[in-house]
Amino acid sequence: DAMVIQNPRYQVTQFGKPVTLSCSQTLNHNVMYWYQQKSSQAPKLLFHYYDKDFNNEADTPDNFQSRRPNTSFCFLDIRSPGLGDAAMYLCATSRDLAGGLLAKNIQYFGAGTRLSVL
Amino acid sequence: TQLLEQSPQFLSIQEGENLTVYCNSSSVFSSLQWYRQEPGEGPVLLVTVVTGGEVKKLKRLTFQFGDARKDSSLHITAAQPGDTGLYLCAGPGAGSYQLTFGKGTKLSVIP
Repeated sequence: DAMVIQNPRYQVTQFGKPVTLSCSQTLNHNVMYWYQQKSSQAPKLLFHYYDKDFNNEADTPDNFQSRRPNTSFCFLDIRSPGLGDAAMYLCATSRDLAGGLLAKNIQYFGAGTRLSVL
Repeated sequence: TQLLEQSPQFLSIQEGENLTVYCNSSSVFSSLQWYRQEPGEGPVLLVTVVTGGEVKKLKRLTFQFGDARKDSSLHITAAQPGDTGLYLCAGPGAGSYQLTFGKGTKLSVIP
């Protein structure tokens, strides 16, 4: 019944070694988000896709990239992970309906990927 | 900038006690969401409140949206260890698809 699925749940990488995190959804939502969450902090939005349109947050480092090959899948690429990038990475989805002002603000989260950088 | 302030930041209580956590802002929100996040998991949506003064109940959890839609509260009756987690409030952010999150209340319910 999982609706937003993130793989892997735990990822260990080396300093500077590229890593990709994946997210898939069965909700057919048109908006997908990637968040970074550090310990005991609120999630911080990195970027989102509205359909195929990519929207980067102004303070998201260039080190973070994303791909969305189709509606169901979205990937987070970290090109050269640093120690400060160790965190929980959360994928979320929402739907935007014509006139549906409320629906797009309700986001459904995956279980997250815990990234460790050695 | 729309900010959501949550209090208290940390709360540790005994099983069976009641508690209330708060989410406050100086800005008006069209809606507020409450999420619970268990350790090592993603946030799970508990409720959305939309109308000023609205009260919603989810078993032992009672959510209220302030009349002016600037604040919300979550009251838990007879807390259980399964209620342990980080409670986050969130509302529409400045950007069209942004959610503004509070910093959360970390609740520990001790058996």
